[in-house]
Amino acid sequence: AQKITQTQPGMFVQEKEAVTLDCTYDTSDQSYGLFWYKQPSSGEMIFLIYQGSYDEQNATEGRYSLNFQKARKSANLVISASQLGDSAMYFCAMSQWGMDSSYKLIFGSGTRLLVRP
Amino acid sequence: DAMVIQNPRYQVTQFGKPVTLSCSQTLNHNVMYWYQQKSSQAPKLLFHYYDKDFNNEADTPDNFQSRRPNTSFCFLDIRSPGLGDAAMYLCATSREGGTRNEKLFFGSGTQLSVL
Repeated sequence: AQKITQTQPGMFVQEKEAVTLDCTYDTSDQSYGLFWYKQPSSGEMIFLIYQGSYDEQNATEGRYSLNFQKARKSANLVISASQLGDSAMYFCAMSQWGMDSSYKLIFGSGTRLLVRP
Repeated sequence: DAMVIQNPRYQVTQFGKPVTLSCSQTLNHNVMYWYQQKSSQAPKLLFHYYDKDFNNEADTPDNFQSRRPNTSFCFLDIRSPGLGDAAMYLCATSREGGTRNEKLFFGSGTQLSVL
């Protein structure tokens, strides 16, 4: 069965420093997508970055980059130059297809990031 | 701005009293999802609609039902809420539901409390 694992329940980072949030996944599919979402205390899930399993280059979006290591089945999120507003829950997610061709995302348990001034 | 809107933001209900949560979208997306997120846990998919086709997750309790009267609206009905149903309920959409690189767009969620 497909699974997403985030082993860091909580992390601290100093403002302006970089931080890496870990994500490993398990799938037997050859083609899949990996996503990171941010969830502030307000509750909304905000899309940050996407990586396709066939993409050769690591995805980047502004201060966010995804360190994709396919052989290790890891998709770590790197946030550079942390800001106070980055304090939130971060979820790693993977696309999943059902037997009926339905499409959905499955999520890891999340990492709570706290940025210290 | 096009978006996914959930009402209300907070909902309090009594044990066993039916409750309905609402979601609307202005994105004109084909697929609408309902996720349940308990405190400090991963969001868990309850069911989704691909257009008018309803797709229930195998482990979603019968206590949870959904309706999608049109493209824009989707409702989550909890017939007899228990204390264990207290959670954040997240509505999400996707454009087609048919490509692997498709992200989901989420609403702000409804935090349900059961007294």
